[in-house]
Amino acid sequence: EIVMTQSPATLSVSPGEGATLSCRANQSVSINLAWYQQKPGQAPSLLIYGASIRATGIPARFSGSGSGTEFTLTISSLQSEDFAVYYCQQYNKWPQTFGQGTKVDIK
Amino acid sequence: QVHLQESGPGLVKPSETLSLTCSVSGGSMINFYWTWIRQPPGKGLEWIGYIYYSGTTNYNPSLKSRVSISVDTSKNQFSLNLSSVTAADTAVYYCTRGSTFSQRWGQGTLVTVSS
Repeated sequence: EIVMTQSPATLSVSPGEGATLSCRANQSVSINLAWYQQKPGQAPSLLIYGASIRATGIPARFSGSGSGTEFTLTISSLQSEDFAVYYCQQYNKWPQTFGQGTKVDIK
Repeated sequence: QVHLQESGPGLVKPSETLSLTCSVSGGSMINFYWTWIRQPPGKGLEWIGYIYYSGTTNYNPSLKSRVSISVDTSKNQFSLNLSSVTAADTAVYYCTRGSTFSQRWGQGTLVTVSS
């Protein structure tokens, strides 16, 4: 199965600052890459699919980029509701696999 | 807007079968794929498998020998059975819509495997 590796494990950011999260695949997944946000005690929610397409209702401060094996999720200016864990997931090859997550917390 | 809700026992004994149901409301199951994903406490996410509304299934090879997913479109439900459970199967189990990425998620239900 494809292994997804996210970095860093934890990212400490001040409100209003930007954040860049990385996701790497051990083989190409083309652009078949999604990002999810998970808050404590809640289910994950879809942010991005197709590596760069925002899901319905997702603010423009969230953007995704990359293809092949290297992907980035950028949050341009963190709001209080953005502090959460973020997961990447590849769906290029079955079984779909997730990264281990990046926790974005308040600096 | 479609809503998904998991239901089932919160405690299962080792070696027994875990059985969960996902009820779908606010939309049709027709022409969609329906998926089970799990998350052990404090850990990451694992795709268990999915079923098409017509009954076609696909399971994670790591669980394939123990997993069965079924669908009942007349009841707007789909179900998960996971046999011969161990403590390693303790997790929050989510039902979702989609076979690639998941746009709609249930709230999740914690299943603990313990005697």
